[in-house]
Amino acid sequence: NAGVTQTPKFQVLKTGQSMTLQCAQDMNHNSMYWYRQDPGMGLRLIYYSASEGTTDKGEVPNGYNVSRLNKREFSLRLESAAPSQTSVYFCASSEVLYRGANYGYTFGSGTRLTVV
Amino acid sequence: GNSVTQMEGPVTLSEEAFLTINCTYTATGYPSLFWYVQYPGEGLQLLLKATKADDKGSNKGFEATYRKETTSFHLEKGSVQVSDSAVYFCALITNTGGFKTIFGAGTRLFVKA
Repeated sequence: NAGVTQTPKFQVLKTGQSMTLQCAQDMNHNSMYWYRQDPGMGLRLIYYSASEGTTDKGEVPNGYNVSRLNKREFSLRLESAAPSQTSVYFCASSEVLYRGANYGYTFGSGTRLTVV
Repeated sequence: GNSVTQMEGPVTLSEEAFLTINCTYTATGYPSLFWYVQYPGEGLQLLLKATKADDKGSNKGFEATYRKETTSFHLEKGSVQVSDSAVYFCALITNTGGFKTIFGAGTRLFVKA
């Protein structure tokens, strides 16, 4: 099925460990996003990529890095995990930033990350 | 700045009851408005949208009307089902926000048989 695929679905890290969350979309979308979801706080944008070759900070970028590997793939890296990064992470895509205003976003099913 | 405020949940209803989830927004420019739904263990799915004032978005029996005068986009359904139990997010995109989506905190709906 077409859509956004995230891996892994679950992960437990120890404080200070690093990991990369993977995201791939097969809808030929130009723009991709990483959000985190915490109870009572909705979704907060971490980083986004308006198009291949560009990345920009969102609302809560500290402690994260991203790579737009190609048009399909957008990864999120935690270099030194902290308990405050325990969250559910969602990747999303849209045709382009401004067209998202007409069509909305397509989301992956999420990665549930626990940092102990 | 741009923001979205939703009614706090959880909302608990019996099957076939009428549903309203309130959503108000603050935005500069001309926002597009959305409702997303998240079922347990899944990502968000676009439920409906409206891109200009007085537009009505509808899908799967849900409706919401873009009210510029009251800056609201309330979600309604005439008769809920158990399968509608989920978390509902109101959201907006505006050109003054760089076309990035701003989400409300979400409202959890429980529907009892």
